Amino acid sequence: DSGVTQTPKHLITATGQRVTLRCSPRSGDLSVYWYQQSLDQGLQFLIQYYNGEERAKGNILERFSAQQFPDLHSELNLSSLELGDSALYFCASSVDGGLDEQFFGPGTRLTVL
Amino acid sequence: LAKTTQPISMDSYEGQEVNITCSHNNIATNDYITWYQQFPSQGPRFIIQGYKTKVTNEVASLFIPADRKSSTLSLPRVSLSDTAVYYCLVPHTGRRALTFGSGTRLQVQP
Repeated sequence: DSGVTQTPKHLITATGQRVTLRCSPRSGDLSVYWYQQSLDQGLQFLIQYYNGEERAKGNILERFSAQQFPDLHSELNLSSLELGDSALYFCASSVDGGLDEQFFGPGTRLTVL
Repeated sequence: LAKTTQPISMDSYEGQEVNITCSHNNIATNDYITWYQQFPSQGPRFIIQGYKTKVTNEVASLFIPADRKSSTLSLPRVSLSDTAVYYCLVPHTGRRALTFGSGTRLQVQP
C-alpha cells in the first residue's frame, strides 16, 4: 500500500459524459501527478500540482482539467468523453514535487461505452 | 522534449542477471534518472534513482556513464516475480514535466 488513495476504482460511462476522478496523496506529500495508461500502453503524464498550484503540464487534452485543493487532494475532470478515453488513470504523490520518489495509487479504470 | 528509448521486451531465466538500457540524449545537467517497475493493473513502484556512475540498493544497480546519455538498470539473479514492465524516467528539459520511457517488458521464465 503506497498510501495514495484513488476513487472510484472503476467507472463506466457513456460517450459525451463528464466524470471526476479523485486522489488523496500520502500524508505530508505536497505534489500530485496524474497519468493516463491506455491498454498495453506506457504511462502518459498529464499534469502535476504542487501545493495547490499547477507545476507542469504534459499531454493533457483541453477536455480534461485538474485541480489541487487546500487539503491537497486532487481531482481530474474529464468531459465530452470519447471511446478513446477509456484507460487506467493513475495518481501519484511526492514530498516536494522535484525529482523525489513518486508513490502511485491503485488507479481508476475508466470505461467509456 | 526529453525522449527516452528502451528495448520493448526482454526474456530471461530465473537466476540470471538482467541489464536493461535506456537512452536519454537530452537529459539536463542537474537531472536524475529514475527507474520504476509496474505489474499489470497496478501503479508503478520506484526501484532506483541515480545521477552518475553507479548506485546500488537492495534490489538493483544503476550504471550511468560519464556522458549521461544512457543508463543501465541491472537486476541480479532475477526470479519469476520480477516479470514486469520497467520504465526509465527522465525529467522534461526546461519545463520539469515528466517523461516515462516506452517501458521494457521483462519476462522471466523458470
